[in-house]
Amino acid sequence: SQQGEEDPQALSIQEGENATMNCSYKTSINNLQWYRQNSGRGLVHLILIRSNEREKHSGRLRVTLDTSKKSSSLLITASRAADTASYFCATASLSGYSTLTFGKGTMLLVSP
Amino acid sequence: EPEVTQTPSHQVTQMGQEVILRCVPISNHLYFYWYRQILGQKVEFLVSFYNNEISEKSEIFDDQFSVERPDGSNFTLKIRSTKLEDSAMYFCASSPRGTGADTQYFGPGTRLTVL
Repeated sequence: SQQGEEDPQALSIQEGENATMNCSYKTSINNLQWYRQNSGRGLVHLILIRSNEREKHSGRLRVTLDTSKKSSSLLITASRAADTASYFCATASLSGYSTLTFGKGTMLLVSP
Repeated sequence: EPEVTQTPSHQVTQMGQEVILRCVPISNHLYFYWYRQILGQKVEFLVSFYNNEISEKSEIFDDQFSVERPDGSNFTLKIRSTKLEDSAMYFCASSPRGTGADTQYFGPGTRLTVL
């Protein structure tokens, strides 16, 4: 089964606007993590939300988790051109204690 | 801030050759991982390693792959006989504990090109 499917696949906004990306998954999870990847570069961890948490903040990032709907959202407020990157959600399942399953990602373009 | 490092950043090899990708995890971490990302596709889990043995591995991680922690700092991925379809970005990651409890921290990746 597919885990961690993000939508939209691509998002184009202007600087200062908010960007919202969504992630859906199928199996029960221990936690869900969001990562960022600049083109051709490594994965940078942004935030981890545990299955018993509903919302978490880190700077301009806000993550929500709805385990009943098996979905999560990442909100970036007051976006900047430097936020341009691909954003991935990754789930850690209850059964696989060490595996992260990634989605295909949302490509965010923030124009100045 | 401590970070995961990987060498080389780019490796070009001929089909059938052996390659070794190297990683230095964050020093106090106990769990180590390899993932790969074929161009334009998802990041895929390959293998996890704890206490000097493989904890989990995916279907991708077949007999041509092996991992090793040859000393107290390095963590390596060996591909014995590379195929064209092994061309991908390979990421190493580490975490203090298993992913059920902790964030995985990723290295910058090694781009492997098999000709």
